[in-house]
Amino acid sequence: ELKVEQNPLFLSMQEGKNYTIYCNYSTTSDRLYWYRQDPGKSLESLFVLLSNGAVKQEGRLMASLDTKARLSTLHITAAVHDLSATYFCAVEINNNDMRFGAGTRLTVKP
Amino acid sequence: DSGVTQTPKHLITATGQRVTLRCSPRSGDLSVYWYQQSLDQGLQFLIQYYNGEERAKGNILERFSAQQFPDLHSELNLSSLELGDSALYFCASSVATERPDFRFYNSPLHFGNGTRLTVT
Repeated sequence: ELKVEQNPLFLSMQEGKNYTIYCNYSTTSDRLYWYRQDPGKSLESLFVLLSNGAVKQEGRLMASLDTKARLSTLHITAAVHDLSATYFCAVEINNNDMRFGAGTRLTVKP
Repeated sequence: DSGVTQTPKHLITATGQRVTLRCSPRSGDLSVYWYQQSLDQGLQFLIQYYNGEERAKGNILERFSAQQFPDLHSELNLSSLELGDSALYFCASSVATERPDFRFYNSPLHFGNGTRLTVT
């Protein structure tokens, strides 16, 4: 059975600091996605990583994918309060079947 | 606004009852997914439909069923409700164009705002 593991599950950061969220998965996959969820809100797509070595950046967030290691990272640079949210990675297996990690709840403190 | 519409937003019902959750996907999206989000289980994949046909099944209970209609809207039916079924139920849609080998050209999911179900 496919397992998608994120760590850490909870992350409290100071503004201005850097940190990385990790997403490990247990089976071969073509695609990996990162989503953001604000409290009480829906999920919003952040990044789509389509191949080994793919790197995508948007503002202070950068995502990468290593399909050989079955690992994706979401790196946060110089965190700001607006980045506080829960971040999910999702792994795509056969036929667009999408499985999510447990989520990393990020809190950025002033 | 993701373009995915879910109704109702909130639903409060008693144990043993049956409810129907409704989802209208984004215009042009053929693929619909249902997820259950609870505090202790996280985001659990329930079922996926593509152009009216069931494509993938996750941890969906036998008491739950779903379908996608010719106009592409989808309904999730939950019956014999238990307290543990209380959760946020998300619908998501994607373009997911089918390839000749029956796999899909992939795209991110667009999520609705969810239906919060409370079973008392």
